[in-house]
This record gives sequence, C-alpha cells and structure tokens, in this order.
Amino acid sequence: GEDVEQSLFLSVREGDSSVINCTYTDSSSTYLYWYKQEPGAGLQLLTYIFSNMDMKQDQRLTVLLNKKDKHLSLRIADTQTGDSAIYFCAESNSGGSNYKLTFGKGTLLTVNP
Amino acid sequence: DSGVTQTPKHLITATGQRVTLRCSPRSGDLSVYWYQQSLDQGLQFLIQYYNGEERAKGNILERFSAQQFPDLHSELNLSSLELGDSALYFCASSVAGADSPLHFGNGTRLTVT
Repeated sequence: GEDVEQSLFLSVREGDSSVINCTYTDSSSTYLYWYKQEPGAGLQLLTYIFSNMDMKQDQRLTVLLNKKDKHLSLRIADTQTGDSAIYFCAESNSGGSNYKLTFGKGTLLTVNP
Repeated sequence: DSGVTQTPKHLITATGQRVTLRCSPRSGDLSVYWYQQSLDQGLQFLIQYYNGEERAKGNILERFSAQQFPDLHSELNLSSLELGDSALYFCASSVAGADSPLHFGNGTRLTVT
C-alpha cells in the first residue's frame, strides 16, 4: 500500500537547522519529493531526489534518503522566519502509464525569532 | 509562480449545487492532476489526465467528474454538493505521464453552505 508519515509539528529558533522527517511505504517509488505550502498558497516544489541517490544538496536544503528504512529527511540550514510553512513529503507511485504522488499530512514548521 | 493557473480562487455555493473548477497547466505540460486538500484528509489524489485521456483515478466521488480538453486545460465538475465537499482543490501539471515533478496551482477554495 501507499502511505507517507510525517510528524505534524516542528518548532525551531531562527538561525538553527531544521530537520523534517518522513517515512514512506512504496519501495518502488522512483522519486521522493519535498513541497512547501505557505498560508493561502499552493504547493511549491522545493526539491526531489531520485531513489538511487543517498543525498542531494541544494543551497540551504539537504535531502537524505535511507532506502533500506524507507526514511527521507529534509534539513534546512540557517532557518529563517520566511521558512515558516507546511512541508509535505511525497512519494511517487507508478503503475504502468499511471503516475501520481502520495503525500504525507505535512509538517508545520514554526520559526521563532 | 508555478505557471499553473486555477480559477476561480474562491467559490461559495449552497448544498445541492454544481460548480466547475478550471485549470490551465504550465506551457508544454501534458499531464494534469487534481487533488483535494482538507484538514482531516490531507491531500487526496482525485484524478489524472494525460494529453486528453484519463490515466489514473484516486479517491474521486461519483458526483465529481473531470476532463482535459484539446488545448490541455482541464475542468473539475463537482455536483450535488455537500457540506463535506468544502475544501481546497488543487490542480497540478507535469511534463510527462510518469516520473516528472508536479507543479501546483494556487488552488480553488470551495465553501459549501
């Protein structure tokens, strides 16, 4: 089955690192994604990692993938108040020509000054 | 700006009514997806179209239907509306039918009174 789990809340101080964790169930997922949703806005694609990679770094963002444990994490370095948002982890599910993303319920990141 | 346009931004209607939500995908994207976001269910995949054809169906109610037109824009029709249909409805698009990131619009907030 397809299921993505995330912790619901994370609170950090400005300047600290944030680590948002996610577990997924579909071992055949080709890509794993992180999206950011600010209040009143849509989902913004932050980054994604191919399933045969262990790590991907993109400026302040680092994605770590442990395929054996089906564990994905997003680290935000030097977290800023503008990073306050809901962060969604998503796994890809392909079945023939069908393709969709299954999302976790999202982690609300609060950055305190 | 993701390049995905959804109209209208807000919709308020009464129970039993029918509404149409519209989506224009990013230029060049052939795939369109519809998702429903509610507080209790999170982001639920509804349906996917690829180049005019239905490709995948998720948790879409029989009262809901969608189509993708030759110019690739898509419409989601919701009928016999119930209070529980109040949610944020997102459209997303991607280049291909599989293994490509989804880019989301800003959503249509539907309120059923």
